[in-house]
Amino acid sequence: GAGVSQTPSNKVTEKGKYVELRCDPISGHTALYWYRQSLGQGPEFLIYFQGTGAADDSGLPNDRFFAVRPEGSVSTLKIQRTERGDSAVYLCASSPDGWEQFFGPGTRLTVL
Amino acid sequence: DQQVKQNSPSLSVQEGRISILNCDYTNSMFDYFLWYKKYPAEGPTFLISISSIKDKNEDGRFTVFLNKSAKHLSLHIVPSQPGDSAVYFCAASAQGNAGNMLTFGGGTRLMVKP
Repeated sequence: GAGVSQTPSNKVTEKGKYVELRCDPISGHTALYWYRQSLGQGPEFLIYFQGTGAADDSGLPNDRFFAVRPEGSVSTLKIQRTERGDSAVYLCASSPDGWEQFFGPGTRLTVL
Repeated sequence: DQQVKQNSPSLSVQEGRISILNCDYTNSMFDYFLWYKKYPAEGPTFLISISSIKDKNEDGRFTVFLNKSAKHLSLHIVPSQPGDSAVYFCAASAQGNAGNMLTFGGGTRLMVKP
């Protein structure tokens, strides 16, 4: 079956711009996670959805970051007023049970 | 403060030999540990996991060992194959955390030479 997909695969933007990153989880997976991986580091947790609600957003670095999952399937990570330090690979994962997490290929964001 | 650490950024082994990747953690609330493998331009893929009630879990060529008193786990790959060349991430979670969000180490790049 289809895995987790993320679009776009690459996004280049200018400092101060707004970006949206999309995640399509595996069908039927109720749990969805966003992580951010900076160069040379492991992924860092951002936010977790159970269904439509954000159950844990403690990893979001500041209020420029926001994520939604309005119908309990597709999720969008939104970043306002992007900064060069936001450059990273943004990974999405979904899970049927909150244990094994299946990751997408990520979106590489570059802020110039 | 890194709660999960992989102190070796890279490891090179000969095909057919054993690869040992190490991971240390500081948070005593962690009770579930996972290893993920990552190829370039792909997301991490789950490899093997272990619960804190066990000290060993085996799956084919892959074995994970957990030493709770030392807060240390290791992944053994025997025999190593060139296709195993990838970045390996150790991750941990605590049942008390909603959704079992994962805390990752920084990764170890494994290179298996033919």
